[in-house]
Amino acid sequence: AQSVTQPDIHITVSEGASLELRCNYSYGATPYLFWYVQSPGQGLQLLLKYFSGDTLVQGIKGFEAEFKRSQSSFNLRKPSVHWSDAAEYFCAGGGSSNTGKLIFGQGTTLQVKP
Amino acid sequence: GAGVSQTPSNKVTEKGKYVELRCDPISGHTALYWYRQSLGQGPEFLIYFQGTGAADDSGLPNDRFFAVRPEGSVSTLKIQRTERGDSAVYLCASSLIGLGAGGNTEAFFGQGTRLTVV
Repeated sequence: AQSVTQPDIHITVSEGASLELRCNYSYGATPYLFWYVQSPGQGLQLLLKYFSGDTLVQGIKGFEAEFKRSQSSFNLRKPSVHWSDAAEYFCAGGGSSNTGKLIFGQGTTLQVKP
Repeated sequence: GAGVSQTPSNKVTEKGKYVELRCDPISGHTALYWYRQSLGQGPEFLIYFQGTGAADDSGLPNDRFFAVRPEGSVSTLKIQRTERGDSAVYLCASSLIGLGAGGNTEAFFGQGTRLTVV
């Protein structure tokens, strides 16, 4: 079955430290993958997306993610975290079957220490 | 407006009542999606419209849930005989073309409707 897993429910990092949020997917074919961020009371904002081509994708707010087929992963990274990055982060994926359905991970809550 | 608009932003209803949730997608977007997000969880797919038709309704939990998009723009999610377990944030999203249609596109989400069944 298709699935997206975020192994870390909660992560705390110090401001200025690097960040990596993990995402693993299970799809038969090449998936399309997204990372969204959700602040309290806000809607989901797209950080970046992968459809095909270059496996390292750049997004907004200094985020990047790397698609690794061999590891079925699409981890989100940022070299230096800012206090404003504290939020809930969701990885989501879909297949090529044109259902339009996105499967979301459970989310990772990021806390940033001053 | 420029983004996906959902109304109302909050809805409190009594158990057993009927509710309608509205979604105005971004103008020109052919694809529209409904998701449900429970507290502490990721959004869960409900239904996907391509134009006026439901291309995938496999996420609707039971026959109390129904959605329409009669003119290929605004969509309404309808819930009959509401139950306390239906309490959640209902999210709507739209994209220029369907996400699985082979193009590089993205889904834009609305702020959601928080439904509380008491």
